[in-house]
Amino acid sequence: GDSVTQMEGPVTLSEEAFLTINCTYTATGYPSLFWYVQYPGEGLQLLLKATKADDKGSNKGFEATYRKETTSFHLEKGSVQVSDSAVYFCALSNTGTASKLTFGTGTRLQVTL
Amino acid sequence: NAGVTQTPKFQVLKTGQSMTLQCAQDMNHNSMYWYRQDPGMGLRLIYYSASEGTTDKGEVPNGYNVSRLNKREFSLRLESAAPSQTSVYFCASSEQVGWDSPLHFGNGTRLTVT
Repeated sequence: GDSVTQMEGPVTLSEEAFLTINCTYTATGYPSLFWYVQYPGEGLQLLLKATKADDKGSNKGFEATYRKETTSFHLEKGSVQVSDSAVYFCALSNTGTASKLTFGTGTRLQVTL
Repeated sequence: NAGVTQTPKFQVLKTGQSMTLQCAQDMNHNSMYWYRQDPGMGLRLIYYSASEGTTDKGEVPNGYNVSRLNKREFSLRLESAAPSQTSVYFCASSEQVGWDSPLHFGNGTRLTVT
């Protein structure tokens, strides 16, 4: 079945550091890929998405490129802020599993001054 | 601009008690979902409703029931709570069921079963 693997956290960075959170997936067909973010005490919010190979999703300075050859969708940001501290979830949705999002286990990011 | 509203925010139950988690959305979305979030396991789909009048099982439906009361509301019921159901529960909605329709989440209900 479909699955998503994320790097273990927590990830601790200083403000203005470069961020990479790795995400790889296993799926048949041509899934859509998502990054969701969860701030403390809140529900998940869509951060960005990509719906086909080589698409780049971007939002709020975050980017991720859909790489079909490496089945990856790594999240990057050039300069993190304290306000980026949150849990980040990689997810996929497959054309053959209407409605279901398959989530990774989440990666906690802590940004310090 | 409420989005998805869940009640209650917190709940403590004893084993065997029952309760209903409420969810309402004001975005005129067709599809609604219930997920549970457990440490180290990400989110897992319990039940979903593709449209008003329909419900389907997700990945972990055992011990739960749902009702799609109308287009806005989708409730989750635990008939006889068990400690294994201690979790954070999230309701979500989307314009439609489908691979390209992002989910909008509520802020969650933290449930503890003792």
